[in-house]
Amino acid sequence: DSGVTQTPKHLITATGQRVTLRCSPRSGDLSVYWYQQSLDQGLQFLIQYYNGEERAKGNILERFSAQQFPDLHSELNLSSLELGDSALYFCASSVGGGQATYEQYFGPGTRLTVT
Amino acid sequence: GNSVTQMEGPVTLSEEAFLTINCTYTATGYPSLFWYVQYPGEGLQLLLKATKADDKGSNKGFEATYRKETTSFHLEKGSVQVSDSAVYFCALRADSWGKLQFGAGTQVVVTP
Repeated sequence: DSGVTQTPKHLITATGQRVTLRCSPRSGDLSVYWYQQSLDQGLQFLIQYYNGEERAKGNILERFSAQQFPDLHSELNLSSLELGDSALYFCASSVGGGQATYEQYFGPGTRLTVT
Repeated sequence: GNSVTQMEGPVTLSEEAFLTINCTYTATGYPSLFWYVQYPGEGLQLLLKATKADDKGSNKGFEATYRKETTSFHLEKGSVQVSDSAVYFCALRADSWGKLQFGAGTQVVVTP
């Protein structure tokens, strides 16, 4: 158990809908990262927050957005869903964000299926 | 840009065989390198890491050495067990804000 929790574990929804994925980082971790794992794109970095502020952005679609709240949990919002958004979405957390050596701990993921 | 290339799987081995998974990278500067493992139905777990050239990371019998001259970070284990069956990801982290860049993953299947 990494200490990172993600809810829900599974999500099935229809095209055009909007969903929210939630992540709670390990106690004391200030950075949260979101990654998408799909069969065709592999594991891709989406976005990072550090202590409530966005710090880095990867291949995140405009239909996707995220935020980190004062209690440090984070939410990833996916809207106007398409079949191609079906994937496993991972959240990871680390102590900080200013040192490349900080280890990232991954949650178990949320499996999103868009039908 | 930065990239990670690792050998395609699946790699099928018998128990107690020697495992090597090749990983090479392209990056500017001096990235940190990682191996993560994903067991079926689970998230990623850090297996080992190396943060500078010639560092050797090791954990649970797995080893990998950061070779800057060949831009490689090959994963090895001398004697695999059935419980080592998983998908292994090589990754690099090139910037101080820590986002990871992953290879495609290599599935390893160990048979009794």
